[in-house]
Amino acid sequence: EDQVTQSPEALRLQEGESSSLNCSYTVSGLRGLFWYRQDPGKGPEFLFTLYSAGEEKEKERLKATLTKKESFLHITAPKPEDSATYLCAVQSDYKLSFGAGTTVTVRA
Amino acid sequence: DTGVSQDPRHKITKRGQNVTFRCDPISEHNRLYWYRQTLGQGPEFLTYFQNEAQLEKSRLLSDRFSAERPKGSFSTLEIQRTEQGDSAMYLCASSSGTVGGEKLFFGSGTQLSVL
Repeated sequence: EDQVTQSPEALRLQEGESSSLNCSYTVSGLRGLFWYRQDPGKGPEFLFTLYSAGEEKEKERLKATLTKKESFLHITAPKPEDSATYLCAVQSDYKLSFGAGTTVTVRA
Repeated sequence: DTGVSQDPRHKITKRGQNVTFRCDPISEHNRLYWYRQTLGQGPEFLTYFQNEAQLEKSRLLSDRFSAERPKGSFSTLEIQRTEQGDSAMYLCASSSGTVGGEKLFFGSGTQLSVL
């Protein structure tokens, strides 16, 4: 069974203070690793898909990287609007298996 | 592309009552998923449709839960004889089923509270 572990559970940052979120996974055959953003009371919003070790994707202040065992989501110079829960998920067949998420709070 | 639509957004019910939720996926998407999410947890897979065929149900889905997708369009999720443990956000997602990976588009969910 696919397993995803995210750390830390919560992260409080000062505006402009860069940091990284970790996603460790075990999967029988990785078809893709996904990062989603979720705001309170809303469904997850797609950010990135990574397919193979060494791959990197960027979007504004976010950068996702992938190794054979884990993925990192780097937040560079965050702003208050980056406050959200960030979910990591792996796909080995047709469905996604999610971690519990990291809740990021960015203070102005 | 109007996104995935779910109705209602919120549902409060008494224990033992039946509830039904509706999901309208993105129109050209042939895959539809139901997930459940409780506070502080990530979404958990419940069931999956390819067009109108229900191809998998999670062990989490008891006999009180049933899902349908008539004609491969919208989907409904019914919970019979609700229990307090059923309180959660029920999320619907759809995808086009591209080869090499899935990008799921989620709706805003239906928040169920069982009193």
